[in-house]
Amino acid sequence: GAVVSQHPSRVICKSGTSVKIECRSLDFQATTMFWYRQFPKQSLMLMATSNEGSKATYEQGVEKDKFLINHASLTLSTLTVTSAHPEDSSFYICSASRAGGSYEQYFGPGTRLTVT
Amino acid sequence: AQSVTQLGSHVSVSEGALVLLRCNYSSSVPPYLFWYVQYPNQGLQLLLKYTSAATLVKGINGFEAEFKKSETSFHLTKPSAHMSDAAEYFCAVRPGGGSTLGRLYFGRGTQLTVWP
Repeated sequence: GAVVSQHPSRVICKSGTSVKIECRSLDFQATTMFWYRQFPKQSLMLMATSNEGSKATYEQGVEKDKFLINHASLTLSTLTVTSAHPEDSSFYICSASRAGGSYEQYFGPGTRLTVT
Repeated sequence: AQSVTQLGSHVSVSEGALVLLRCNYSSSVPPYLFWYVQYPNQGLQLLLKYTSAATLVKGINGFEAEFKKSETSFHLTKPSAHMSDAAEYFCAVRPGGGSTLGRLYFGRGTQLTVWP
């Protein structure tokens, strides 16, 4: 149990376009989902925390108008990178925590975004 | 403030040798502690977690870690390294209490190389 999927696994888009990444909890209800960004050979950087049905909480320095997060249901959160630029190219990873007070986060496989 | 320090960004061992990956944390309240493993272009997989029960925690793939409050450490060990253990390892802290929305604080990661 506790499987998290992400779609797409890889995406290439042109500069100026928008791209949406989906994060789904497949076999549990996720009250909280987290979005991370990871640069090559570096650790994960938390971008935002989202709770189902409410606005996401963004970390300092993360542009909320550029990285739109929606958590409309207990099994789905989306990250939309708007007006993407080459510097947005990165590995984006989501994670989810269960309803009911579990202490751990379950991570998705990640999405490799390349902006040309 | 929470912080996680992983000593050594790269660790190399021979196959069959002891693996020791170091992690120290700072937390104002008793934390929950995690070790994750990441293979190239994949998400994070939980190896083990400490949630205030036994201080010696056993995880998957023969890994274990010991929580030492006096040393604020949570080092990861494996008695005998296998080639398949080569990966990036992340230590993470979830502070105790309910004020941080369950977020994790990650160390910078340690790349483990296993030589034949």
